[in-house]
Amino acid sequence: GQNIDQPTEMTATEGAIVQINCTYQTSGFNGLFWYQQHAGEAPTFLSYNVLDGLEEKGRFSSFLSRSKGYSYLLLKELQMKDSASYLCAVIRVGGATNKLIFGTGTLLAVQP
Amino acid sequence: ETGVTQSPTHLIKTRGQQVTLRCSSQSGHNTVSWYQQALGQGPQFIFQYYREEENGRGNFPPRFSGLQFPNYSSELNVNALELDDSALYLCASSLEPVPTYEQYFGPGTRLTVT
Repeated sequence: GQNIDQPTEMTATEGAIVQINCTYQTSGFNGLFWYQQHAGEAPTFLSYNVLDGLEEKGRFSSFLSRSKGYSYLLLKELQMKDSASYLCAVIRVGGATNKLIFGTGTLLAVQP
Repeated sequence: ETGVTQSPTHLIKTRGQQVTLRCSSQSGHNTVSWYQQALGQGPQFIFQYYREEENGRGNFPPRFSGLQFPNYSSELNVNALELDDSALYLCASSLEPVPTYEQYFGPGTRLTVT
């Protein structure tokens, strides 16, 4: 089976750092994505981790530990426009199917 | 913008009706996946099409069906609509089903069933 857990909501202050955690249990794991989704819009790609460790991309970093079934997304120098839902999604490959299993998302509110 | 387009943007249907949603893939992408996203939830995988064939399906009943055309555009059809089908429907295209994993999402179609 598959299960992905993320906090439902988080609040942070403009200019601060926030870490959004994601734990997963799934068979056939083959990578983990983080997507950002503003209300009423499509998810947009933030990061992809397939090996253990930290991937840094500007203000956003993502970490993966496959042995622990754990990932986090780190957002630095928060801006008001970072207020959005952050979706953790695991790639599960069965045969040739590339299937994304999403968590319910973490709604981040950035306050002045 | 991802280059993936969907139509219509919004749609209102009555319970029991049928609906067709459309998706145009990013240029060069031969794989399309469809997702249903209920309010406050993450997207749920419906099915994937690769080179005009269904290539995997999630836990959705047979009244959810799809097509992919030679130009790799795609349709999602839902028969006998139910109130719980009200959701944002997202399509995502990718270069191949494997090993390229990044999927590019369209803006979605907001379906309301009354």
